[in-house]
Amino acid sequence: AQSVTQPDIHITVSEGASLELRCNYSYGATPYLFWYVQSPGQGLQLLLKYFSGDTLVQGIKGFEAEFKRSQSSFNLRKPSVHWSDAAEYFCAVGTRTGGFKTIFGAGTRLFVKA
Amino acid sequence: GAVVSQHPSRVICKSGTSVKIECRSLDFQATTMFWYRQFPKQSLMLMATSNEGSKATYEQGVEKDKFLINHASLTLSTLTVTSAHPEDSSFYICSARDQNWGGEQYFGPGTRLTVT
Repeated sequence: AQSVTQPDIHITVSEGASLELRCNYSYGATPYLFWYVQSPGQGLQLLLKYFSGDTLVQGIKGFEAEFKRSQSSFNLRKPSVHWSDAAEYFCAVGTRTGGFKTIFGAGTRLFVKA
Repeated sequence: GAVVSQHPSRVICKSGTSVKIECRSLDFQATTMFWYRQFPKQSLMLMATSNEGSKATYEQGVEKDKFLINHASLTLSTLTVTSAHPEDSSFYICSARDQNWGGEQYFGPGTRLTVT
């Protein structure tokens, strides 16, 4: 069955420091992969997506993610975190088995300290 | 970019009553819409997938008679929580997929339901 694992429930990073959020997926075919961000009480905003091609994907707000098939991973990175990046981040896989669905990971809460 | 709206943004209802939540794709046609439920500090759980003009497909464990979904047009899907109970209180989020499947779903801002 398809699944997404985000091993870190929460991460604290100093403002200006680099960030990496981990994501591993389980899916038999080539996946569609996404990272979303959610601020408290808000809907989801798409940061970036991978469908095919270049495995290093650039997104909005200075985020990037790298698809590594051998590791079944799609980690999110940012070289310098801003206080406004504090939010919940969800990794997701889009599947085509049994219809089109998006399966979400449990999320990682990012705290940014001054 | 594609925009999905939800109405209302928050609603409070009494136990035993029904409440309807609307999801609209504003600038594109969505053959497929999805309804998610999110508990505090938890991830999104897919409740059902609705296809325009046909019955919704519910995920395992979701009561179809309690959560009625209608997708009558290419731009509107509704979720009706019938005979609501306090345990139905949650954040409900809809999303819509453009007719051209590129894997991306556009999410609404969510509806906070509180059942008293």
